[in-house]
Amino acid sequence: KAGVTQTPRYLIKTRGQQVTLSCSPISGHRSVSWYQQTPGQGLQFLFEYFSETQRNKGNFPGRFSGRQFSNSRSEMNVSTLELGDSALYLCASSGGHLGETQYFGPGTRLLVL
Amino acid sequence: DAKTTQPNSMESNEEEPVHLPCNHSTISGTDYIHWYRQLPSQGPEYVIHGLTSNVNNRMASLAIAEDRKSSTLILHRATLRDAAVYYCILRRGGSNYKLTFGKGTLLTVNP
Repeated sequence: KAGVTQTPRYLIKTRGQQVTLSCSPISGHRSVSWYQQTPGQGLQFLFEYFSETQRNKGNFPGRFSGRQFSNSRSEMNVSTLELGDSALYLCASSGGHLGETQYFGPGTRLLVL
Repeated sequence: DAKTTQPNSMESNEEEPVHLPCNHSTISGTDYIHWYRQLPSQGPEYVIHGLTSNVNNRMASLAIAEDRKSSTLILHRATLRDAAVYYCILRRGGSNYKLTFGKGTLLTVNP
């Protein structure tokens, strides 16, 4: 079974721009979660989507948004980029309502200049 | 979310057992204890999880205290590939997939 894939793997943007990151979950998984990892704050939960609906949300500003498509693929969008948005963005998928384990992708490293 | 406390770092020698402790004194009855690890330049990887009883899988063992206020992840024979940051996380049972990561324990394995 193929793992979680994320594209692109690396991205450089400038302040004020917007960015869209993509995540393809493991086949059959319906839950996709997004996390931000920075040296200062560590791993922080952004949001989780299940069957195209946002089910959980972390404490991030509205500039961070996401969506999930009917095939469970998910996208995350960050608008009006700030220097502090430079981070590794990780996507994780889980299977089914009672799925306990999250499977993480390799992440997208975003650098904002 | 209930909090966990882990040592910042630990060191081990290759092929020796490693015991990684985690304190979670405010754990509730429905909290599962999860362990993930993150190797350099990779996303976190699931290791093991349990509720009340000790658990074993091909990667590790999880020993849970009788009062559930602490647990220990056991790597039976550390290899260089086990060098990673290990996270102990409490997750409420059910459909909430939010994981709250702490700082974790950086495990160094010496050859």
